[in-house]
This record gives sequence, C-alpha cells and structure tokens, in this order.
Amino acid sequence: DIQMTQSPSSLSASVGDRVTITCRASQNINNYLNWYHQKPGKAPKLLIYDASSLQSGVPSRFSGSGSGTDFTLTISSLQPEDFATYYCQQTYGSPHTFGQGTQLDIK
Amino acid sequence: QVQLVQSGAEVKKPGSSVKVSCKASGDTFKNYALTWVRQAPGQGLEWMGGILPMFGTTDYAPKFQGRVTITADESTSTAYMELSSLTVDDTAVYYCARGGGLGERWLDPWGQGTLVTVSS
Repeated sequence: DIQMTQSPSSLSASVGDRVTITCRASQNINNYLNWYHQKPGKAPKLLIYDASSLQSGVPSRFSGSGSGTDFTLTISSLQPEDFATYYCQQTYGSPHTFGQGTQLDIK
Repeated sequence: QVQLVQSGAEVKKPGSSVKVSCKASGDTFKNYALTWVRQAPGQGLEWMGGILPMFGTTDYAPKFQGRVTITADESTSTAYMELSSLTVDDTAVYYCARGGGLGERWLDPWGQGTLVTVSS
C-alpha cells in the first residue's frame, strides 16, 4: 500500500492566518492527490483534486500544489468556517489511501 | 446536482453481516464509480473499495478482501456494501462517495454516512 503522511497532525491558528498543510507519499503518485475537509458529524468534502485543481464552488483561498511525493494545501486567509480536519488521499494505486488527518483548531 | 442518500443506522451482533445502501439521484448512475469509505469513532478515513456499475468491476482494499462485497443495481441507481464476519472493530460510520474523473480520480459528492454499531 502507498502510505500517506500528513504534517502537522494538529494545528492552531487564528482567523486571517495563512496556513499550510503538507502530505507526503511513500512513492511517486504523479498528481493523483486530493484534499478534503471534514467538520464534526459531517461527511468529508472535496476541496482540491489532481493536486492543484480547485473543486467547483470551493473558495479561492484554498490552493494545492506539488507532484511526485510531496504536496501542500494552503489556505491563504483562514475563515471561521475553515476550522475542520483536513485529509489528503492518493488515487494513484489501489487501495486509495488517506493521510491520517490534520486537525485545524482556533487559537 | 448529484445526491447520494444512504440507509439508516444499524446495530449488529459480532459474527453477523451488515448491508448498507446508497441511492444516487440527479445523474447517470452507471457512468461513475461508487466507492465506500469508513471512519471509526475518533479516527481517520479508511478506503474500503469501489465498483464501476457500467462494467460491474470491483476493487477492494486487501484488508477487507473476502469480507466485503460491493454491488450496484442500475435499475434503482443504488449501490450496496455488505460486510460480513463483523467484530467490534467494525463499528464505524460508513460513507459512499461518487468517483470523479476517469474511474475514481477523486470522490465527490459523499453520502451522509451510516453508523454501524457492532455490539454483543
């Protein structure tokens, strides 16, 4: 299985901050990398697909970059509704594994 | 707008099986992959497997191989996930999600989730 490692595991930040979450794959996955966020009691929601493509309806403060094994998700200016848990997922090889998650809390 | 609606919560005994449904509306069912992901209490997301209804082909995570069966009924636009030989460790919220792009490049949208509790 391809292992996905996110860092940090948790993060405290304030409204208006710029935040970056990283995801590292255990092997090359080209750009087969997605980002989701999940709020308590809700289903995950797709933010970024193919490493850097913004899903329709997702605010432009979210952006993704990277290729190969190293990827980042950046939120340019945190809003109150962005406090959630963030997951990366690779779809290069089966099983389509997720990172362990990054919990983003209000400072 | 595609919507996925899952069946209701289940309580099962260890050793039994559970079958969760996921009904799709708003788009052509057979053209997209349907995938199942689970989340144990307080834990992260775990990919279980998926189906391409157009071809009837399935792909399962090795961890669940032999214990999970994913099927699709095109006539009702409904996908099913059956998990057998349940243990307490299978207690989780089970989500279905539609694959986007070629096959399952990404997952969007997701169903609302179905809580399966395994307890003696």
